[in-house]
Amino acid sequence: AQSVTQLGSHVSVSEGALVLLRCNYSSSVPPYLFWYVQYPNQGLQLLLKYTSAATLVKGINGFEAEFKKSETSFHLTKPSAHMSDAAEYFCAVSHSGNTPLVFGKGTRLSVIA
Amino acid sequence: DTEVTQTPKHLVMGMTNKKSLKCEQHMGHRAMYWYKQKAKKPPELMFVYSYEKLSINESVPSRFSPECPNSSLLNLHLHALQPEDSALYLCASSHRSSGPTDTQYFGPGTRLTVL
Repeated sequence: AQSVTQLGSHVSVSEGALVLLRCNYSSSVPPYLFWYVQYPNQGLQLLLKYTSAATLVKGINGFEAEFKKSETSFHLTKPSAHMSDAAEYFCAVSHSGNTPLVFGKGTRLSVIA
Repeated sequence: DTEVTQTPKHLVMGMTNKKSLKCEQHMGHRAMYWYKQKAKKPPELMFVYSYEKLSINESVPSRFSPECPNSSLLNLHLHALQPEDSALYLCASSHRSSGPTDTQYFGPGTRLTVL
């Protein structure tokens, strides 16, 4: 069975500081990995996804993530946090076949001025 | 246009009411999804439609009844709900038959309150 674990239900950073949101996956087959963001009272929006091409994936709004098979990780980073980045972030995994997305529990990012 | 629309935005209903949630997309996507999201939790998959046919039902109670009248439209019919069914209901769509690399595009959700 596949799953993702997001370390830290809440991360707080200062404006301009590095953002690092952690995601580790568990999958018996090569995974496809996604990061979604959810702003308050809105649906989810895809930030980026890994589909076995480049291991360093660049997404929208300056976010990127690196797939590290040896560490079973897909951490999300952004060099400089902006107030508008405050939101809930979900890591998700799927694999080949007709399987649905499996979401992690989410990490709430707060950005302090 | 990468928009999924959902109506209504908010819905309050009693336990004996019958109501419906509506979802629409015009991106030519052939897979559509219903999720339930409780506060401070991730979305939980309820149903998947692939080419207008129900392909996944995640053991959802029969008081929730999905319908896919055509490739652009997805409904969720609600009847005899319980207060614990209060949640944000999200609709999503993706290009192919819920392929594993397909991006799911989410609507803004319907905030449902059951009294």
